[in-house]
Amino acid sequence: EDQVTQSPEALRLQEGESSSLNCSYTVSGLRGLFWYRQDPGKGPEFLFTLYSAGEEKEKERLKATLTKKESFLHITAPKPEDSATYLCAAAGTASKLTFGTGTRLQVTL
Amino acid sequence: KAGVTQTPRYLIKTRGQQVTLSCSPISGHRSVSWYQQTPGQGLQFLFEYFSETQRNKGNFPGRFSGRQFSNSRSEMNVSTLELGDSALYLCASSFGPNEKLFFGSGTQLSVL
Repeated sequence: EDQVTQSPEALRLQEGESSSLNCSYTVSGLRGLFWYRQDPGKGPEFLFTLYSAGEEKEKERLKATLTKKESFLHITAPKPEDSATYLCAAAGTASKLTFGTGTRLQVTL
Repeated sequence: KAGVTQTPRYLIKTRGQQVTLSCSPISGHRSVSWYQQTPGQGLQFLFEYFSETQRNKGNFPGRFSGRQFSNSRSEMNVSTLELGDSALYLCASSFGPNEKLFFGSGTQLSVL
């Protein structure tokens, strides 16, 4: 059965303090690794898709990377508006998207 | 371009009742997926429809069902509601399977 595990569950950073979120996955035949951001009371918002080990994608202060077993979401010099829950999801050969339980990020001044 | 629209936004039901939730995907999207989100379990996959056919189904009891219409709009139904069905139900659409998902804001269901 496909599994996705995210760590840490919660992370509190000061503005400007860079860090990384981890997503470990076990899926049969990875077809895509997705990162989403979810704000309270809203649905998840797409950030990145990664397809193969070694691939990297960047958007503003966020950079996502992928290995054969893990993905990392690096946050460089975060701002309070980056506070949200970050979700990782993996699609395997069954074409079913399996989500992790997310990392709640809080960035303080 | 309009996003994914889910109605209603909030719903309160009592145990034993049934409920129908509606989802209108982004224009041109033919794939619609449904997820249940709870604080403890995160997002759990319910089912996925593509061109009116159910492509995938998650590990939920038969009380949970869905369908997709020819205009790609989708509905999900939960019969004989239980307290544990209280959750945020999210609908997402995409051009096709394995494509990035666009989520609606969800329907918050409370079962009393």
